[in-house]
Amino acid sequence: AQKITQTQPGMFVQEKEAVTLDCTYDTSDPSYGLFWYKQPSSGEMIFLIYQGSYDQQNATEGRYSLNFQKARKSANLVISASQLGDSAMYFCAMRDLSGGGADGLTFGKGTHLIIQP
Amino acid sequence: DVKVTQSSRYLVKRTGEKVFLECVQDMDHENMFWYRQDPGLGLRLIYFSYDVKMKEKGDIPEGYSVSREKKERFSLILESASTNQTSMYLCASSMPGSFTDTQYFGPGTRLTVL
Repeated sequence: AQKITQTQPGMFVQEKEAVTLDCTYDTSDPSYGLFWYKQPSSGEMIFLIYQGSYDQQNATEGRYSLNFQKARKSANLVISASQLGDSAMYFCAMRDLSGGGADGLTFGKGTHLIIQP
Repeated sequence: DVKVTQSSRYLVKRTGEKVFLECVQDMDHENMFWYRQDPGLGLRLIYFSYDVKMKEKGDIPEGYSVSREKKERFSLILESASTNQTSMYLCASSMPGSFTDTQYFGPGTRLTVL
């Protein structure tokens, strides 16, 4: 069974500072994908970034980067130069890629990030 | 851009009512999913479908059923709504075989059962 752990229920960060949101995972599957989603107060889940278990380099998408440490089973999200609009819930998720068919995501419980001016 | 729409943003129903939550995607995705989201629990998978008329149970299927008669539409059905089904319901779709098989979500339906 897969499990995602996000140990920070809430975080307050000053605007323009960098933010690291923690995520650790547990799986016995050799091939898996890790995802981060942002959920603003409007409720929609917005896909941010993806990291495959066999990817050699850490994923980056604009101000988002993923600090992937496979041996430690961690996939922390780093947001550089935070903005007020980054205030939201952030979810780490994973799925097995070896099955070949459809499969749901396993989500963590989320981190509520608040950016302060 | 992928567009996933859900029929209602907010819904209030009474205990025992039959409830239909509709989800439509316009990107010809083969996979569709229903999740529920509760505070402190994150998102949990209810059902998913990888083809028309095909369905698979997720982690918490009890009290729910689904229907997928057309590729673009995936319905979640609460046969007899109960108060413990008060929750946020999120639909998602994905294309298998794409590089990341990323799931794209709709805006959610906040259901209250009285």
